[in-house]
Amino acid sequence: SQTIHQWPATLVQPVGSPLSLECTVEGTSNPNLYWYRQAAGRGLQLLFYSVGIGQISSEVPQNLSASRPQDRQFILSSKKLLLSDSGFYLCAWNRGGDLYEQFFGPGTRLTVL
Amino acid sequence: GQQVMQIPQYQHVQEGEDFTTYCNSSTTLSNIQWYKQRPGGHPVFLIQLVKSGEVKKQKRLTFQFGEAKKNSSLHITATQTTDVGTYFCAGAGSYQLTFGKGTKLSVIP
Repeated sequence: SQTIHQWPATLVQPVGSPLSLECTVEGTSNPNLYWYRQAAGRGLQLLFYSVGIGQISSEVPQNLSASRPQDRQFILSSKKLLLSDSGFYLCAWNRGGDLYEQFFGPGTRLTVL
Repeated sequence: GQQVMQIPQYQHVQEGEDFTTYCNSSTTLSNIQWYKQRPGGHPVFLIQLVKSGEVKKQKRLTFQFGEAKKNSSLHITATQTTDVGTYFCAGAGSYQLTFGKGTKLSVIP
């Protein structure tokens, strides 16, 4: 069966510090991968998605970046965090195309102070 | 770009009452998906609707997809405390989903 992992679960970082969140998927190959951000009590904002290794599409201009160095690994990064980067970061995958449901990881709760 | 509106934003019901959340898209959708997020958790897929006018049921949950494939609804009959959470609709586009802002359901025992 397929599983999706995210770490860390929680993170408290000072403003201006770098960020690296990692997501890995097991039990499937060539998944579509997604990064979402959810502000407190709000909806899901799509940040990046990837349909293959090295292929990244950005949905919202910001100080975040994403990379997919391996088929089942998706990394969210920032060189300098802002207060507004605080939120719940969710990684998700699906089997490809738009006809398949997305499976979400447990999320990383980021607080920038 | 595609926009998905969802109402109401919040709903408080007495246990046993019914609940409905509505979803409207600015464009025709290839399919619509529904997710539930429990407090402190991550979204979990509930169902996908693909056909115009489609109706699907999961126990006390009834999902509908409009004839024009631009709107959808989720109805819960006789809510229980286990139904608490935020319900999101999501419209499918090319490789990605556009989520509504969700309806947060509170159930008063």
